[in-house]
Amino acid sequence: QQQVKQSPQSLIVQKGGISIINCAYENTAFDYFPWYQQFPGKGPALLIAIRPDVSEKKEGRFTISFNKSAKQFSLHIMDSQPGDSATYFCAAHDYKLSFGAGTTVTVRA
Amino acid sequence: DAEITQSPRHKITETGRQVTLACHQTWNHNNMFWYRQDLGHGLRLIHYSYGVQDTNKGEVSDGYSVSRSNTEDLPLTLESAASSQTSVYFCASSGGGRARGGGMEQYFGPGTRLTVT
Repeated sequence: QQQVKQSPQSLIVQKGGISIINCAYENTAFDYFPWYQQFPGKGPALLIAIRPDVSEKKEGRFTISFNKSAKQFSLHIMDSQPGDSATYFCAAHDYKLSFGAGTTVTVRA
Repeated sequence: DAEITQSPRHKITETGRQVTLACHQTWNHNNMFWYRQDLGHGLRLIHYSYGVQDTNKGEVSDGYSVSRSNTEDLPLTLESAASSQTSVYFCASSGGGRARGGGMEQYFGPGTRLTVT
């Protein structure tokens, strides 16, 4: 079964709005939590990542929030732009990466 | 610039045929991975390698095999293609050793779309 559960499956946001994607896990051995961005016809690309000893990490308009006790983490895309329209995958690492099912984000102009 | 390439980009084959998908990286990374991507399942790990002559099964390895004879290449072979193996296949690589940090920052290739008829 999937070790990382991701929601929602898809979301639509207006330009300038906030996109929020949530992920949950059970395995407490996970030690690194990356997010990947994938455009149609391309391979996934590392977007931002966090380690479990940090509660938040921000890079530009992208922020990861991490709640270790709840075993949940989320990606926030601030001031969403049409160019952010893509599929986003959360993942978790023990000795390999386990991926969530993905969220397709559509930003309407 | 260093890169990871996959070939072919598109392949149509018939049920029962053997198919090999190529993956080549110039990052000089120790670690290489094969995933399949299907709607609703995200990326599922097929096989992975933490160095030359090292290969390991992932969560969906049945019907697939790999071998690693050098640092740069990890070809994926479908021994007898089945319609259930119609998918998009991604190769990835990462630096670091076999230790726990070795599979963290993975760089993905552009993918191979395989159709089995």
